[in-house]
Amino acid sequence: EAGVTQFPSHSVIEKGQTVTLRCDPISGHDNLYWYRRVMGKEIKFLLHFVKESKQDESGMPNNRFLAERTGGTYSTLKVQPAELEDSGVYFCASSQDLRVNYGYTFGSGTRLTVV
Amino acid sequence: AQSVTQLDSQVPVFEEAPVELRCNYSSSVSVYLFWYVQYPNQGLQLLLKYLSGSTLVKGINGFEAEFNKSQTSFHLRKPSVHISDTAEYFCAVTSGGGGKLIFGQGTELSVKP
Repeated sequence: EAGVTQFPSHSVIEKGQTVTLRCDPISGHDNLYWYRRVMGKEIKFLLHFVKESKQDESGMPNNRFLAERTGGTYSTLKVQPAELEDSGVYFCASSQDLRVNYGYTFGSGTRLTVV
Repeated sequence: AQSVTQLDSQVPVFEEAPVELRCNYSSSVSVYLFWYVQYPNQGLQLLLKYLSGSTLVKGINGFEAEFNKSQTSFHLRKPSVHISDTAEYFCAVTSGGGGKLIFGQGTELSVKP
C-alpha cells in the first residue's frame, strides 16, 4: 500500500510569491489532515477534511492560506502571498476512519522556506 | 484546552544505555496518547499509542510507555538504545472522534557510540 505522498519535498520562494503544496492520501482514506511545524516549535494542526468537506479549519492561521480537496482525493494547500513566518515543515496525514484506533499515517512533509 | 509538554528538548545518551523521554499532558476530558518518531528526512512514524486498558504500552523497536493518569504523564522508555534510534520524538494527545492531534515540542534523541 502506498503511503501518504507529499510534494514538493522542499520549496524555496520569495516573500510575496505563491506556493502550492500537494498531498496524496492513502487510497480510500476519507480523512485528511494538514499540520505545520514552524522552526523550533511544536507541530500544529491546520485543518481536517472529511472527503471534500472541511470538518475543522480552526488551525488555519489567516486568509492567505487556502486548502482544497476537490473530489475527495488529493488535497492542495496554497499560500498566497507567502510571508517569512510561513516558513516551516508542512505535514499531511490521512486516516481511514474517525475511530481513534485506526490512527493516522503521515507523509514526509514539505519544507517551505520563504526568503 | 488540551496541551502537551515534552520536558526535554534534547537528550544525549550513549549506545546501550537506557533512556526515558518525558511527556506530560493536560486535558479536562479522557485522552488518547501517542508517541511518534521522525527519522531524518522522513515522515512521522507511529511508535505506540495508549487508547485504553493496560497502562503499560509496548511499541515498535523495543520502546514502551506508561500512562499515568494521576500524574498526567506518558513517558517513553527503552532499556537499551542503538545508534539507529537517533531521531526526534513527539508526544501527542487527542480526545478522539477524528479530532486533531495536539503535539509536544519534540525531543531530539542523540545516541552516541
